[in-house]
Amino acid sequence: NAGVTQTPKFRILKIGQSMTLQCTQDMNHNYMYWYRQDPGMGLKLIYYSVGAGITDKGEVPNGYNVSRSTTEDFPLRLELAAPSQTSVYFCASSYSGTGGGDEKLFFGSGTQLSVL
Amino acid sequence: RKEVEQDPGPFNVPEGATVAFNCTYSNSASQSFFWYRQDCRKEPKLLMSVYSSGNEDGRFTAQLNRASQYISLLIRDSKLSDSATYLCVVNTYNFNKFYFGSGTKLNVKP
Repeated sequence: NAGVTQTPKFRILKIGQSMTLQCTQDMNHNYMYWYRQDPGMGLKLIYYSVGAGITDKGEVPNGYNVSRSTTEDFPLRLELAAPSQTSVYFCASSYSGTGGGDEKLFFGSGTQLSVL
Repeated sequence: RKEVEQDPGPFNVPEGATVAFNCTYSNSASQSFFWYRQDCRKEPKLLMSVYSSGNEDGRFTAQLNRASQYISLLIRDSKLSDSATYLCVVNTYNFNKFYFGSGTKLNVKP
C-alpha cells in the first residue's frame, strides 16, 4: 500500500521562484493537511481540506496556496519563495473519525525545502 | 497561548530507566489525544492514542486528565531505540484539526 506519497523529497529554490509540492493518498481519506516543521519546533498547520473542492487556512497560510480537485490529490503551491519558507513540509491525511481516538494521521515522508 | 505545550527536554536517561513526559492543552473542547514519535528528519508516526481511562501498550502507558487538561506518557525499561522526539497531538474535532506540541526529546544512553 502506497499510503501518502509526497514529492519531491528535496528542493532548493532561489528567492522569488515558484514551485508545487505534490501530495497524493490512496486511502480514500476525506481530510488532508499540509504542515511545516522548522528546526526544533512542532508541526504548524498551513492548509487543510475536508473533502474535494473544500480547503481552508490553518495557522500559517501566508505565502502558500492549495487546491483539492480530487479526493486523492492535495498540492501545495509556493508562489514567491522567501527564505522564511525554508522548512520541512509534511502532507498528511486522515479519515473522519468519531472522536474515539480513531482519527489517526497518516504522513508522507516529507519535503526538505531550502530557499536561498 | 499555544494549543499544546510540552517540555522540550532533552531527557537523558540510562537504558532500563523509567521516564515520563507531560503535555498540556488549552482547548477544553478537545476530543482526541495522541502521542506520536518522530525520528530525526523523518515523518511523525503514531505511537498510541490516549483514552480517558488510560491505556497501555507494552512498555508504554498513556494517561489523560481532562479536568487538568494534561496528557502523560510513561516509558518503562527504556531501550536505546526509544531515543526520539515524542510529540503530543490534540484533535479539537473542529474540522478534524490536529494540533502538535513542539516535542520532547528523549536520549537513552547505554
